[in-house]
Amino acid sequence: KAGVTQTPRYLIKTRGQQVTLSCSPISGHRSVSWYQQTPGQGLQFLFEYFSETQRNKGNFPGRFSGRQFSNSRSEMNVSTLELGDSALYLCASSQTSGLINNEQFFGPGTRLTVL
Amino acid sequence: AQSVAQPEDQVNVAEGNPLTVKCTYSVSGNPYLFWYVQYPNRGLQFLLKYITGDNLVKGSYGFEAEFNKSQTSFHLKKPSALVSDSALYFCAVRPSNSGGYQKVTFGTGTKLQVIP
Repeated sequence: KAGVTQTPRYLIKTRGQQVTLSCSPISGHRSVSWYQQTPGQGLQFLFEYFSETQRNKGNFPGRFSGRQFSNSRSEMNVSTLELGDSALYLCASSQTSGLINNEQFFGPGTRLTVL
Repeated sequence: AQSVAQPEDQVNVAEGNPLTVKCTYSVSGNPYLFWYVQYPNRGLQFLLKYITGDNLVKGSYGFEAEFNKSQTSFHLKKPSALVSDSALYFCAVRPSNSGGYQKVTFGTGTKLQVIP
């Protein structure tokens, strides 16, 4: 079974631009979560999608948004980029449902650098 | 609000010695607890989890963790450390009553350095 894939792996943008990151979960996984990882803040939860619906959101400004498609692939978008948005963005998928308490499987991440 | 504390930013251990990476948590209700490992420039890899049952959980690569409800701890252990175990380790917690939602909170991570 293929793992979680994220594209692109590396991205360089300038302040004010916007960016879209993509995540393809493991086949059969319907839950996709996004995290921002920085040296100072550690792993910060961005949002979780399940069956095309956002069902949990972290404490990030509205510049951060996401969506999930019918095939469970997910995208996150960051508009009006700031220097502080430079981070490793991790996507994780799982088979989470009301009865299944499964762990998350992480992709390799997208390294975003904002200049 | 739930939280996870990993009190040590870095743990150094000699190869062949036992290792412990500490984790304490705070959550409403019963916890689901996880350990993940991250190698440089990689995503997180699942090591083990505690859902219910035996307090001693065995996971990948010879790691194990002990759930202690009274001390709200879930320390990661390995009897004999390998140089290849050097990585960043994350503890995570999720409430058992989250209705299937992830609602996972991660600790800040502990860097494990195994010295040859």
